[in-house]
Amino acid sequence: KAGVTQTPRYLIKTRGQQVTLSCSPISGHRSVSWYQQTPGQGLQFLFEYFSETQRNKGNFPGRFSGRQFSNSRSEMNVSTLELGDSALYLCASSFVRFGDTEAFFGQGTRLTVV
Amino acid sequence: QQQVKQSPQSLIVQKGGISIINCAYENTAFDYFPWYQQFPGKGPALLIAIRPDVSEKKEGRFTISFNKSAKQFSLHIMDSQPGDSATYFCAASYTDKLIFGTGTRLQVFP
Repeated sequence: KAGVTQTPRYLIKTRGQQVTLSCSPISGHRSVSWYQQTPGQGLQFLFEYFSETQRNKGNFPGRFSGRQFSNSRSEMNVSTLELGDSALYLCASSFVRFGDTEAFFGQGTRLTVV
Repeated sequence: QQQVKQSPQSLIVQKGGISIINCAYENTAFDYFPWYQQFPGKGPALLIAIRPDVSEKKEGRFTISFNKSAKQFSLHIMDSQPGDSATYFCAASYTDKLIFGTGTRLQVFP
């Protein structure tokens, strides 16, 4: 079956702009989580959605937001981009919750803010 | 309290040797402890996972040792191979989110 698909794979944006990243989970998976990966901080949890509801949120500013659609696809939006937002953004999907079933990660979207 | 501390940051091992990566946590609410392997340009992939009611789990050359009282767990890679060269992340889960360690870059030389 198809894996987790993230689009686009690469993005270059200017400071102050906004960006939207997309994630299509594995068919049948209802939980989608987003992570920010940077060399210094590792994988930082952004938020998790299940059946269109945000169940958990990490410690990121309000500029980071997300949503999930009825088909479980999810989008993540970052407004007023800062240089420090440059990172690999990873999406992971799971059937129910990460503690009970495996989380599958996409290849990520590499965002560069200049 | 939600942190997972991982060490070492990098590890160099000879082919055939044992690679050991350690993690520690504080929050006793964590109930699932997976290890993820990440190759360059790829997302992390689940390698092996353990629950706190088990002290050890082995899958092939990979073993997790879990010490509940010390709140520590470790990954042992036996007979390390060059193909094992990757970044390894420990993680802990509760309330539907995974908290990751900072990662260990493993290099296995022939």
